[in-house]
Amino acid sequence: DAMVIQNPRYQVTQFGKPVTLSCSQTLNHNVMYWYQQKSSQAPKLLFHYYDKDFNNEADTPDNFQSRRPNTSFCFLDIRSPGLGDAAMYLCATSRSGTRDTQYFGPGTRLTVL
Amino acid sequence: GEDVEQSLFLSVREGDSSVINCTYTDSSSTYLYWYKQEPGAGLQLLTYIFSNMDMKQDQRLTVLLNKKDKHLSLRIADTQTGDSAIYFCAEAQNYGQNFVFGPGTRLSVLP
Repeated sequence: DAMVIQNPRYQVTQFGKPVTLSCSQTLNHNVMYWYQQKSSQAPKLLFHYYDKDFNNEADTPDNFQSRRPNTSFCFLDIRSPGLGDAAMYLCATSRSGTRDTQYFGPGTRLTVL
Repeated sequence: GEDVEQSLFLSVREGDSSVINCTYTDSSSTYLYWYKQEPGAGLQLLTYIFSNMDMKQDQRLTVLLNKKDKHLSLRIADTQTGDSAIYFCAEAQNYGQNFVFGPGTRLSVLP
């Protein structure tokens, strides 16, 4: 089945230790998104790629970076995780723009020790 | 983007209907969405409605859209314990430039 896959589902890292979360999709969608969701809050968009074009939200900290080496894969890099970065990280895709329906992966829950 | 508003909590008895309400802000929003999130899981697209529609029905789900009041609702008929989750309303604001979620409504289904 076509889907959005996130690995790992649970990630534990240490304060200040770089971590990478991965997302892959078999939908062949042009757009891939990364959201941060803290407990009992709505998802917050960090950035998205439209094909190879990177679009950063204005309030996304510099600590968060992303890479999209090809259509199928997108990575979220947290360069120096702080305790406040512990959250669920959701990847989503859409066919051709934010107006289009977004399909979400199961999320990666990040714990920072 | 402007805030999308939802009630934070709703409790219903099993077998009753649930109605989850949402107020959105951007009259240019073309599509409005309902997502379901179970504990520890990602967001599952439940249904969506195009802005030129007033109502959409899909099995136990009925979406009503009042464009004049910018009000969206999701009705779940014959609510089951498996429907317990957080339900997010979302709109694509600013002609699709911003995809904005509401805060989510936590639905609790009591036996």
